[in-house]
Amino acid sequence: GESVGLHLPTLSVQEGDNSIINCAYSNSASDYFIWYKQESGKGPQFIIDIRSNMDKRQGQRVTVLLNKTVKHLSLQIAATQPGDSAVYFCAENSVNDYKLSFGAGTTVTVRA
Amino acid sequence: EPEVTQTPSHQVTQMGQEVILRCVPISNHLYFYWYRQILGQKVEFLVSFYNNEISEKSEIFDDQFSVERPDGSNFTLKIRSTKLEDSAMYFCASTRVGGNEAFFGQGTRLTVV
Repeated sequence: GESVGLHLPTLSVQEGDNSIINCAYSNSASDYFIWYKQESGKGPQFIIDIRSNMDKRQGQRVTVLLNKTVKHLSLQIAATQPGDSAVYFCAENSVNDYKLSFGAGTTVTVRA
Repeated sequence: EPEVTQTPSHQVTQMGQEVILRCVPISNHLYFYWYRQILGQKVEFLVSFYNNEISEKSEIFDDQFSVERPDGSNFTLKIRSTKLEDSAMYFCASTRVGGNEAFFGQGTRLTVV
């Protein structure tokens, strides 16, 4: 069936460097793609979303890129900090269908 | 900042017992959800709830599961006869109408022994 998934299960980043987390999706009918951050022992926390008719969206220290041609989504974190250590999930949903379909998650570890 | 609250944080139950997981969604939100996450795996959708009825459910949400909004603030997930494989983190979430940002609670860790 169609699914949302991530390329790499783990990512180790030096503090201060930029992080890039990737996601491949297969449901071309999705309207929104969303990134969530999950810290240990907590629920997922919304980071940023992007509508399917956009290819880039920027937030505070984060940028999401969407390439619909190759069905690829990425999250860039600028100047990664220790507090960015977490599991990052991409997810997708559709207008009028607010349920989220999550990918498998990438564990980001920030080295001091 | 408004938040979704869940109780209990950890529930241990014997196989075959009924459990009720409780959630208080954000007060002006109208869409409510339950998700689960088996240890080390991705978050999986269970059920969505709007206007006092289930709007969508996944294959996981079989007849052993039920949801209820017993009053104006609580949203519950009941598992009638728990199985070992029901052991997981259960997350409640809510969204406002027209909103794309789902707010998740801290989760209830359910352990079935």
